[in-house]
Amino acid sequence: SQKIEQNSEALNIQEGKTATLTCNYTNYSPAYLQWYRQDPGRGPVFLLLIRENEKEKRKERLKVTFDTTLKQSLFHITASQPADSATYLCAPLGSNYQLIWGAGTKLIIKP
Amino acid sequence: DAGVIQSPRHEVTEMGQEVTLRCKPISGHDYLFWYRQTMMRGLELLIYFNNNVPIDDSGMPEDRFSAKMPNASFSTLKIQPSEPRDSAVYFCASSLAFTGPYTGELFFGEGSRLTVL
Repeated sequence: SQKIEQNSEALNIQEGKTATLTCNYTNYSPAYLQWYRQDPGRGPVFLLLIRENEKEKRKERLKVTFDTTLKQSLFHITASQPADSATYLCAPLGSNYQLIWGAGTKLIIKP
Repeated sequence: DAGVIQSPRHEVTEMGQEVTLRCKPISGHDYLFWYRQTMMRGLELLIYFNNNVPIDDSGMPEDRFSAKMPNASFSTLKIQPSEPRDSAVYFCASSLAFTGPYTGELFFGEGSRLTVL
Protein backbone atom coordinates (compact mmCIF):
# COMPACT_ATOMS: atom_id res chain seq x y z
CA SER A 1 0.00 0.00 0.00
CA GLN A 2 1.03 3.62 -0.47
CA LYS A 3 2.80 4.90 2.62
CA ILE A 4 4.04 8.32 3.69
CA GLU A 5 6.58 8.81 6.46
CA GLN A 6 7.58 12.03 8.16
CA ASN A 7 9.81 12.61 11.17
CA SER A 8 7.56 11.57 14.02
CA GLU A 9 9.52 13.42 16.67
CA ALA A 10 9.43 17.17 17.07
CA LEU A 11 12.28 19.07 15.47
CA ASN A 12 13.92 21.74 17.62
CA ILE A 13 15.89 24.38 15.73
CA GLN A 14 17.65 27.51 16.91
CA GLU A 15 16.32 30.75 15.45
CA GLY A 16 18.24 31.82 12.39
CA LYS A 17 19.26 28.30 11.41
CA THR A 18 17.89 26.23 8.54
CA ALA A 19 15.20 23.69 9.40
CA THR A 20 14.98 20.60 7.20
CA LEU A 21 11.98 18.28 7.27
CA THR A 22 11.84 14.93 5.52
CA CYS A 23 9.01 13.15 3.71
CA ASN A 24 9.49 9.63 2.40
CA TYR A 25 6.97 7.72 0.33
CA THR A 26 6.88 4.08 -0.71
CA ASN A 27 5.19 1.80 -3.21
CA TYR A 28 4.25 4.40 -5.80
CA SER A 29 5.40 7.42 -7.76
CA PRO A 30 3.35 10.58 -7.18
CA ALA A 31 2.89 13.06 -10.00
CA TYR A 32 3.32 15.85 -7.47
CA LEU A 33 3.70 16.50 -3.79
CA GLN A 34 2.29 19.29 -1.64
CA TRP A 35 3.43 20.74 1.68
CA TYR A 36 1.09 22.32 4.20
CA ARG A 37 1.49 24.12 7.47
CA GLN A 38 -0.89 23.55 10.37
CA ASP A 39 -1.07 25.69 13.49
CA PRO A 40 -2.77 24.41 16.67
CA GLY A 41 -6.54 24.61 16.40
CA ARG A 42 -6.45 25.63 12.73
CA GLY A 43 -6.84 23.93 9.39
CA PRO A 44 -3.82 23.11 7.23
CA VAL A 45 -2.62 25.88 4.92
CA PHE A 46 -1.04 25.16 1.53
CA LEU A 47 2.59 26.22 1.15
CA LEU A 48 4.18 24.69 -1.94
CA LEU A 49 3.66 22.13 -4.67
CA ILE A 50 6.46 20.36 -6.53
CA ARG A 51 5.92 18.20 -9.59
CA GLU A 52 7.77 14.98 -10.42
CA ASN A 53 9.74 16.67 -13.21
CA GLU A 54 10.94 19.45 -10.89
CA LYS A 55 13.91 18.93 -8.62
CA GLU A 56 13.51 22.08 -6.57
CA LYS A 57 10.95 24.79 -5.88
CA ARG A 58 11.43 27.97 -3.87
CA LYS A 59 9.14 30.48 -2.24
CA GLU A 60 10.69 33.21 -0.13
CA ARG A 61 12.50 31.40 2.72
CA LEU A 62 11.03 28.03 1.77
CA LYS A 63 12.62 25.43 -0.48
CA VAL A 64 11.29 22.02 -1.43
CA THR A 65 13.17 19.28 -3.24
CA PHE A 66 11.81 16.15 -4.85
CA ASP A 67 14.03 13.12 -5.44
CA THR A 68 12.04 10.50 -7.33
CA THR A 69 14.93 8.03 -7.13
CA LEU A 70 15.13 8.20 -3.35
CA LYS A 71 11.34 8.63 -3.13
CA GLN A 72 11.87 11.58 -0.86
CA SER A 73 11.00 15.24 -0.52
CA LEU A 74 12.89 17.66 1.70
CA PHE A 75 11.34 20.87 3.01
CA HIS A 76 13.74 23.61 4.09
CA ILE A 77 13.07 26.83 5.97
CA THR A 78 16.07 29.15 5.92
CA ALA A 79 16.70 31.88 8.49
CA SER A 80 14.06 30.25 10.68
CA GLN A 81 11.96 32.36 13.04
CA PRO A 82 9.85 31.48 16.09
CA ALA A 83 6.78 32.28 13.95
CA ASP A 84 7.70 29.30 11.76
CA SER A 85 6.89 26.97 14.65
CA ALA A 86 4.04 24.73 13.51
CA THR A 87 3.33 21.24 12.25
CA TYR A 88 4.26 20.66 8.62
CA LEU A 89 2.38 18.09 6.57
CA CYS A 90 3.58 16.36 3.45
CA ALA A 91 0.91 15.22 0.97
CA PRO A 92 1.86 13.41 -2.23
CA LEU A 93 -0.81 12.77 -4.84
CA GLY A 94 -1.96 9.16 -4.60
CA SER A 95 -2.72 6.79 -7.43
CA ASN A 96 -6.44 7.54 -6.93
CA TYR A 97 -5.76 11.23 -7.62
CA GLN A 98 -6.30 12.12 -3.99
CA LEU A 99 -3.71 13.43 -1.57
CA ILE A 100 -2.19 10.96 0.86
CA TRP A 101 -1.23 12.69 4.08
CA GLY A 102 1.78 12.20 6.27
CA ALA A 103 1.38 12.41 10.03
CA GLY A 104 3.27 15.71 10.09
CA THR A 105 6.41 16.95 11.78
CA LYS A 106 6.18 19.45 14.61
CA LEU A 107 8.78 22.16 14.20
CA ILE A 108 9.83 24.29 17.16
CA ILE A 109 12.03 27.31 16.55
CA LYS A 110 13.69 28.51 19.71
CA PRO A 111 14.65 32.19 20.11
CA ASP B 1 -13.50 35.64 -0.29
CA ALA B 2 -14.11 34.53 3.29
CA GLY B 3 -12.56 31.13 2.75
CA VAL B 4 -14.12 27.81 3.67
CA ILE B 5 -16.61 28.27 6.48
CA GLN B 6 -17.46 25.49 8.90
CA SER B 7 -19.93 25.31 11.73
CA PRO B 8 -20.10 24.63 14.55
CA ARG B 9 -16.51 25.16 15.68
CA HIS B 10 -17.07 23.05 18.74
CA GLU B 11 -19.71 20.44 19.47
CA VAL B 12 -20.10 18.41 22.63
CA THR B 13 -22.79 15.78 22.58
CA GLU B 14 -23.77 12.57 24.25
CA MET B 15 -23.43 9.14 22.76
CA GLY B 16 -26.39 8.26 20.60
CA GLN B 17 -27.22 11.80 19.58
CA GLU B 18 -27.27 13.01 16.00
CA VAL B 19 -24.52 15.40 14.95
CA THR B 20 -24.62 17.60 11.86
CA LEU B 21 -21.56 19.49 10.68
CA ARG B 22 -21.85 22.16 8.03
CA CYS B 23 -19.55 23.56 5.39
CA LYS B 24 -19.63 26.41 2.89
CA PRO B 25 -16.86 26.00 0.30
CA ILE B 26 -15.10 28.77 -1.56
CA SER B 27 -17.25 30.04 -4.41
CA GLY B 28 -16.22 28.59 -7.76
CA HIS B 29 -14.40 25.57 -6.38
CA ASP B 30 -15.30 22.30 -8.07
CA TYR B 31 -14.31 19.93 -5.31
CA LEU B 32 -15.33 19.57 -1.68
CA PHE B 33 -13.67 17.23 0.79
CA TRP B 34 -14.51 16.06 4.28
CA TYR B 35 -11.57 14.99 6.44
CA ARG B 36 -11.26 13.73 9.99
CA GLN B 37 -8.14 14.37 12.07
CA THR B 38 -7.08 12.57 15.22
CA MET B 39 -3.74 12.25 16.97
CA MET B 40 -3.67 8.53 16.33
CA ARG B 41 -4.64 8.45 12.66
CA GLY B 42 -3.79 11.91 11.36
CA LEU B 43 -5.83 13.32 8.47
CA GLU B 44 -8.23 10.84 6.91
CA LEU B 45 -10.30 11.53 3.82
CA LEU B 46 -13.91 10.59 4.47
CA ILE B 47 -15.63 11.61 1.25
CA TYR B 48 -15.28 14.05 -1.60
CA PHE B 49 -17.63 15.66 -4.09
CA ASN B 50 -17.09 16.99 -7.59
CA ASN B 51 -19.69 19.47 -8.82
CA ASN B 52 -21.97 18.43 -5.94
CA VAL B 53 -21.80 14.73 -6.83
CA PRO B 54 -20.21 12.29 -4.34
CA ILE B 55 -17.27 10.65 -6.05
CA ASP B 56 -15.60 8.52 -3.41
CA ASP B 57 -17.04 7.73 0.00
CA SER B 58 -14.80 4.76 0.72
CA GLY B 59 -13.32 6.60 3.69
CA MET B 60 -16.64 6.93 5.49
CA PRO B 61 -16.15 4.65 8.48
CA GLU B 62 -19.65 3.27 8.86
CA ASP B 63 -23.25 3.64 7.83
CA ARG B 64 -23.65 5.99 10.76
CA PHE B 65 -21.86 8.59 8.67
CA SER B 66 -23.51 10.34 5.74
CA ALA B 67 -22.71 13.42 3.70
CA LYS B 68 -24.70 15.54 1.30
CA MET B 69 -24.05 18.44 -0.98
CA PRO B 70 -27.42 19.80 -2.11
CA ASN B 71 -25.86 22.74 -3.96
CA ALA B 72 -22.50 24.24 -4.81
CA SER B 73 -22.36 26.37 -1.69
CA PHE B 74 -23.33 23.97 1.07
CA SER B 75 -22.46 20.53 2.40
CA THR B 76 -23.27 18.58 5.54
CA LEU B 77 -21.69 15.66 7.31
CA LYS B 78 -24.02 13.80 9.60
CA ILE B 79 -23.29 11.20 12.26
CA GLN B 80 -26.25 9.27 13.58
CA PRO B 81 -25.99 7.84 16.18
CA SER B 82 -22.74 9.32 17.45
CA GLU B 83 -20.24 7.31 19.49
CA PRO B 84 -17.28 8.36 21.68
CA ARG B 85 -14.82 7.04 19.07
CA ASP B 86 -16.16 9.63 16.63
CA SER B 87 -14.52 12.35 18.71
CA ALA B 88 -12.13 14.18 16.40
CA VAL B 89 -11.68 17.38 14.46
CA TYR B 90 -13.61 17.33 11.20
CA PHE B 91 -12.32 19.49 8.40
CA CYS B 92 -13.99 20.58 5.23
CA ALA B 93 -11.79 21.65 2.31
CA SER B 94 -12.44 22.84 -1.21
CA SER B 95 -10.33 23.12 -4.32
CA LEU B 96 -10.27 23.65 -8.02
CA ALA B 97 -9.28 20.77 -10.29
CA PHE B 98 -6.10 18.88 -9.46
CA THR B 99 -4.95 17.70 -12.87
CA GLY B 100 -3.32 19.39 -15.80
CA PRO B 101 -2.13 22.91 -15.03
CA TYR B 102 -3.94 23.14 -11.72
CA THR B 103 -2.17 22.65 -8.43
CA GLY B 104 -5.13 21.10 -6.69
CA GLU B 105 -4.24 22.92 -3.51
CA LEU B 106 -6.78 22.41 -0.78
CA PHE B 107 -8.30 25.30 1.14
CA PHE B 108 -9.32 24.10 4.58
CA GLY B 109 -11.86 25.46 6.98
CA GLU B 110 -11.02 25.95 10.64
CA GLY B 111 -12.56 22.61 11.54
CA SER B 112 -15.31 21.38 13.82
CA ARG B 113 -14.07 19.82 17.03
CA LEU B 114 -16.48 17.08 18.04
CA THR B 115 -16.54 15.51 21.48
CA VAL B 116 -18.90 12.63 22.08
CA LEU B 117 -19.35 11.75 25.74
